[in-house]
Amino acid sequence: DAGITQSPRHKVTETGTPVTLRCHQTENHRYMYWYRQDPGHGLRLIHYSYGVKDTDKGEVSDGYSVSRSKTEDFLLTLESATSSQTSVYFCAISGGTNEQFFGPGTRLTVL
Amino acid sequence: QKEVEQDPGPLSVPEGAIVSLNCTYSNSAFQYFMWYRQYSRKGPELLMYTYSSGNKEDGRFTAQVDKSSKYISLFIRDSQPSDSATYLCAMNSGGYQKVTFGTGTKLQVIP
Repeated sequence: DAGITQSPRHKVTETGTPVTLRCHQTENHRYMYWYRQDPGHGLRLIHYSYGVKDTDKGEVSDGYSVSRSKTEDFLLTLESATSSQTSVYFCAISGGTNEQFFGPGTRLTVL
Repeated sequence: QKEVEQDPGPLSVPEGAIVSLNCTYSNSAFQYFMWYRQYSRKGPELLMYTYSSGNKEDGRFTAQVDKSSKYISLFIRDSQPSDSATYLCAMNSGGYQKVTFGTGTKLQVIP
């Protein structure tokens, strides 16, 4: 998975609790992305980062925040998880070309 | 209307068949076209990457882009059971920003 790890790989949580997902890369790539994947919707961009402390919103950013304090780590936080945020979350990285390389995913269930 | 349309399948073929997977798109600014393969419960894996119109071949896989028709295809020759996966098309207009994904076509190759 191109030197990308995600943690945790599986998580079950309750509505209203905060959740943080971590993406870690060893490729020293500048760009990092968080997607969610849902049946019928495919991959949808939540947030992305184009450098340390530089982030921007994607198409489904409501209810999510991100932080990137180091090149290798990109955190996704659900401030107050809702059942609609039950999904599979993928981190991706890019070295500046249009090709993105994906991590193994985190399966999140919000009860 | 979605920017990228992809038949979800499932598509079931016998081993050795030629498979054709397709996507149509509406944004004429798209210049870069990708195909990803995703095995069950895994992250998407970049399979093919092409720029603008034309064909690109890599082993049993051929990617074809027809910008005039806004239509891209992935052909798999001599399909194998190990090709059973979901295939996602993806495209963008360049740079590190948003990549738009199709919803994926599920392929099953029957031995």
